[in-house]
Amino acid sequence: EVFLVESGGGLVQPGRSLRLSCVTSGFTFDDYAMHWVRQAPGKGLEWVSTISSNSASIGYADSVKGRFTTSRDNAKNSLYLQMNSLRPEDTALYYCAKDIGAWGTYFDYWGQGNLVTVSS
Amino acid sequence: EIVMTQSPATLSVSPGERVTLSCRASQSISLNLAWYQQKPAQAPRLLIYGASTRATGIPARFSGSGSGTAFTLTISRLQSEDFAVYYCQHYNSWPVTFGQGTKVEIK
Repeated sequence: EVFLVESGGGLVQPGRSLRLSCVTSGFTFDDYAMHWVRQAPGKGLEWVSTISSNSASIGYADSVKGRFTTSRDNAKNSLYLQMNSLRPEDTALYYCAKDIGAWGTYFDYWGQGNLVTVSS
Repeated sequence: EIVMTQSPATLSVSPGERVTLSCRASQSISLNLAWYQQKPAQAPRLLIYGASTRATGIPARFSGSGSGTAFTLTISRLQSEDFAVYYCQHYNSWPVTFGQGTKVEIK
Protein backbone atom coordinates (compact mmCIF):
# COMPACT_ATOMS: atom_id res chain seq x y z
CA GLU A 1 0.00 0.00 0.00
CA VAL A 2 1.21 3.50 -0.89
CA PHE A 3 1.73 6.03 1.88
CA LEU A 4 2.81 9.67 1.74
CA VAL A 5 3.21 11.52 5.02
CA GLU A 6 3.99 15.22 5.16
CA SER A 7 5.57 17.03 8.10
CA GLY A 8 7.26 20.30 8.99
CA GLY A 9 4.39 22.73 8.75
CA GLY A 10 3.25 25.20 11.37
CA LEU A 11 2.89 28.87 12.16
CA VAL A 12 5.61 31.14 10.83
CA GLN A 13 6.05 34.89 10.55
CA PRO A 14 6.12 36.64 7.18
CA GLY A 15 9.59 36.67 5.67
CA ARG A 16 10.72 33.58 7.56
CA SER A 17 11.47 30.08 6.27
CA LEU A 18 10.05 26.61 6.67
CA ARG A 19 10.95 23.20 5.29
CA LEU A 20 8.35 20.58 4.52
CA SER A 21 9.14 16.90 4.24
CA CYS A 22 7.20 14.04 2.68
CA VAL A 23 8.21 10.50 3.57
CA THR A 24 6.88 7.81 1.27
CA SER A 25 6.50 4.04 1.23
CA GLY A 26 4.82 1.32 -0.77
CA PHE A 27 6.31 2.10 -4.17
CA THR A 28 9.70 2.43 -5.86
CA PHE A 29 10.27 6.09 -5.07
CA ASP A 30 13.05 6.75 -7.58
CA ASP A 31 10.86 5.63 -10.49
CA TYR A 32 8.37 8.48 -10.11
CA ALA A 33 8.12 12.23 -10.30
CA MET A 34 6.74 13.92 -7.22
CA HIS A 35 4.75 17.07 -6.72
CA TRP A 36 3.70 19.67 -4.20
CA VAL A 37 0.15 20.98 -4.44
CA ARG A 38 -1.39 23.47 -2.04
CA GLN A 39 -4.87 24.50 -1.02
CA ALA A 40 -5.56 27.79 0.72
CA PRO A 41 -8.34 27.66 3.34
CA GLY A 42 -11.69 27.27 1.59
CA LYS A 43 -10.10 27.49 -1.86
CA GLY A 44 -9.21 25.19 -4.72
CA LEU A 45 -6.09 23.25 -5.61
CA GLU A 46 -2.95 25.02 -6.81
CA TRP A 47 0.04 23.18 -8.27
CA VAL A 48 3.26 24.39 -6.62
CA SER A 49 6.19 22.33 -7.88
CA THR A 50 7.26 19.13 -9.62
CA ILE A 51 10.54 17.23 -9.48
CA SER A 52 11.36 14.45 -11.92
CA SER A 53 12.33 11.00 -10.73
CA ASN A 54 16.07 11.70 -11.07
CA SER A 55 15.89 15.38 -9.98
CA ALA A 56 17.11 16.48 -13.42
CA SER A 57 14.01 18.57 -14.03
CA ILE A 58 12.24 20.76 -11.51
CA GLY A 59 9.35 23.12 -12.17
CA TYR A 60 7.69 25.82 -10.06
CA ALA A 61 4.55 27.88 -10.19
CA ASP A 62 5.22 31.56 -10.86
CA SER A 63 3.78 32.38 -7.44
CA VAL A 64 6.63 30.59 -5.65
CA LYS A 65 9.48 30.75 -8.18
CA GLY A 66 12.67 32.10 -6.63
CA ARG A 67 11.39 31.56 -3.08
CA PHE A 68 10.66 27.81 -2.90
CA THR A 69 13.05 24.94 -3.66
CA THR A 70 12.03 21.35 -4.20
CA SER A 71 14.42 18.47 -3.69
CA ARG A 72 14.32 14.74 -3.09
CA ASP A 73 16.48 12.08 -1.49
CA ASN A 74 15.83 8.82 -3.31
CA ALA A 75 17.84 6.87 -0.73
CA LYS A 76 15.42 8.05 1.95
CA ASN A 77 12.25 7.86 -0.19
CA SER A 78 11.66 11.47 0.75
CA LEU A 79 10.57 14.71 -0.89
CA TYR A 80 11.27 18.19 0.46
CA LEU A 81 10.02 21.75 -0.02
CA GLN A 82 12.21 24.56 1.26
CA MET A 83 10.06 27.67 1.58
CA ASN A 84 11.84 31.00 2.02
CA SER A 85 10.55 34.58 2.22
CA LEU A 86 7.13 33.32 3.19
CA ARG A 87 4.11 35.54 2.60
CA PRO A 88 0.62 35.50 4.13
CA GLU A 89 -0.73 34.31 0.77
CA ASP A 90 1.39 31.14 1.13
CA THR A 91 -0.93 30.06 3.95
CA ALA A 92 -2.34 26.73 2.83
CA LEU A 93 -2.53 23.00 3.30
CA TYR A 94 0.43 21.58 1.42
CA TYR A 95 0.05 18.15 -0.17
CA CYS A 96 2.76 15.98 -1.59
CA ALA A 97 1.55 13.83 -4.45
CA LYS A 98 2.96 11.00 -6.51
CA ASP A 99 3.01 11.15 -10.30
CA ILE A 100 2.05 8.20 -12.46
CA GLY A 101 5.41 8.34 -14.22
CA ALA A 102 8.92 9.75 -14.24
CA TRP A 103 7.90 13.29 -15.20
CA GLY A 104 4.94 15.47 -14.41
CA THR A 105 1.50 14.52 -15.55
CA TYR A 106 -1.21 13.71 -13.02
CA PHE A 107 -1.31 12.49 -9.46
CA ASP A 108 -2.42 9.05 -8.39
CA TYR A 109 -1.62 9.20 -4.67
CA TRP A 110 -1.73 12.12 -2.23
CA GLY A 111 -0.62 12.67 1.33
CA GLN A 112 -3.04 14.00 3.93
CA GLY A 113 -1.54 17.46 3.79
CA ASN A 114 0.43 19.68 6.15
CA LEU A 115 -0.80 23.11 7.20
CA VAL A 116 1.43 26.14 6.81
CA THR A 117 0.19 29.38 8.35
CA VAL A 118 2.07 32.59 7.62
CA SER A 119 1.06 35.32 10.03
CA SER A 120 2.57 37.82 12.40
CA GLU B 1 -0.65 29.00 -19.03
CA ILE B 2 -3.77 27.02 -19.86
CA VAL B 3 -6.82 28.15 -17.89
CA MET B 4 -9.29 25.47 -16.82
CA THR B 5 -12.86 26.62 -16.21
CA GLN B 6 -15.40 24.42 -14.46
CA SER B 7 -19.15 24.86 -14.38
CA PRO B 8 -21.31 25.16 -12.50
CA ALA B 9 -19.60 26.25 -9.29
CA THR B 10 -22.23 24.42 -7.24
CA LEU B 11 -24.72 21.74 -8.15
CA SER B 12 -27.60 20.82 -5.84
CA VAL B 13 -28.85 17.32 -6.56
CA SER B 14 -30.77 14.49 -4.95
CA PRO B 15 -29.38 10.99 -4.43
CA GLY B 16 -30.07 8.79 -7.43
CA GLU B 17 -29.95 11.62 -9.94
CA ARG B 18 -27.61 11.78 -12.91
CA VAL B 19 -25.01 14.53 -12.67
CA THR B 20 -22.93 16.15 -15.40
CA LEU B 21 -20.01 18.44 -14.59
CA SER B 22 -18.27 20.55 -17.21
CA CYS B 23 -14.62 21.50 -17.62
CA ARG B 24 -13.27 23.69 -20.40
CA ALA B 25 -9.67 24.42 -21.35
CA SER B 26 -8.54 27.76 -22.77
CA GLN B 27 -6.73 25.88 -25.56
CA SER B 28 -6.66 22.33 -26.82
CA ILE B 29 -5.27 19.76 -24.39
CA SER B 30 -6.09 16.68 -26.48
CA LEU B 31 -7.03 13.97 -23.97
CA ASN B 32 -4.61 15.11 -21.27
CA LEU B 33 -7.18 15.66 -18.54
CA ALA B 34 -7.70 14.19 -15.09
CA TRP B 35 -10.60 14.46 -12.64
CA TYR B 36 -10.31 14.35 -8.86
CA GLN B 37 -12.84 14.07 -6.04
CA GLN B 38 -12.25 15.80 -2.72
CA LYS B 39 -14.39 15.27 0.36
CA PRO B 40 -14.20 17.57 3.39
CA ALA B 41 -10.97 17.19 5.38
CA GLN B 42 -9.63 14.64 2.91
CA ALA B 43 -6.98 14.68 0.24
CA PRO B 44 -8.10 14.63 -3.38
CA ARG B 45 -8.62 11.24 -4.99
CA LEU B 46 -7.90 10.49 -8.65
CA LEU B 47 -11.07 9.47 -10.48
CA ILE B 48 -10.34 9.73 -14.20
CA TYR B 49 -7.25 10.20 -16.38
CA GLY B 50 -6.79 10.42 -20.11
CA ALA B 51 -10.18 12.18 -20.13
CA SER B 52 -12.11 8.91 -19.90
CA THR B 53 -10.14 6.14 -18.15
CA ARG B 54 -11.28 5.31 -14.64
CA ALA B 55 -8.53 5.04 -12.04
CA THR B 56 -8.11 1.85 -10.04
CA GLY B 57 -11.05 1.13 -7.77
CA ILE B 58 -13.32 3.88 -9.12
CA PRO B 59 -16.94 2.73 -9.53
CA ALA B 60 -18.41 2.41 -13.01
CA ARG B 61 -21.02 5.11 -12.26
CA PHE B 62 -18.24 7.65 -12.84
CA SER B 63 -17.44 8.34 -16.49
CA GLY B 64 -15.47 10.98 -18.33
CA SER B 65 -15.70 12.19 -21.88
CA GLY B 66 -14.51 14.92 -24.21
CA SER B 67 -11.37 16.00 -26.01
CA GLY B 68 -9.67 19.18 -27.11
CA THR B 69 -11.19 21.93 -25.00
CA ALA B 70 -14.47 20.53 -23.68
CA PHE B 71 -14.80 17.75 -21.12
CA THR B 72 -17.48 16.29 -18.88
CA LEU B 73 -17.59 14.12 -15.80
CA THR B 74 -20.81 12.19 -15.39
CA ILE B 75 -22.05 10.39 -12.31
CA SER B 76 -24.82 8.12 -13.51
CA ARG B 77 -26.72 7.69 -10.21
CA LEU B 78 -25.48 9.87 -7.41
CA GLN B 79 -24.88 8.11 -4.12
CA SER B 80 -24.51 9.69 -0.69
CA GLU B 81 -20.74 9.21 -0.69
CA ASP B 82 -20.45 11.18 -3.95
CA PHE B 83 -21.27 14.55 -2.41
CA ALA B 84 -17.93 16.31 -2.69
CA VAL B 85 -15.95 18.86 -4.70
CA TYR B 86 -14.70 17.76 -8.12
CA TYR B 87 -11.65 19.24 -9.84
CA CYS B 88 -10.36 18.85 -13.36
CA GLN B 89 -6.65 19.18 -14.14
CA HIS B 90 -4.83 19.33 -17.46
CA TYR B 91 -1.38 17.86 -18.00
CA ASN B 92 -0.91 18.75 -21.66
CA SER B 93 1.90 21.25 -21.04
CA TRP B 94 3.64 23.18 -18.30
CA PRO B 95 2.47 24.35 -15.91
CA VAL B 96 -0.27 21.87 -15.11
CA THR B 97 -3.34 23.69 -13.83
CA PHE B 98 -6.58 22.85 -12.03
CA GLY B 99 -10.08 24.09 -12.52
CA GLN B 100 -11.65 25.99 -9.63
CA GLY B 101 -13.86 23.03 -8.69
CA THR B 102 -17.55 22.11 -8.74
CA LYS B 103 -19.23 21.37 -5.44
CA VAL B 104 -21.92 18.70 -5.61
CA GLU B 105 -24.22 19.18 -2.64
CA ILE B 106 -27.36 17.55 -1.36
CA LYS B 107 -30.58 19.16 -2.57
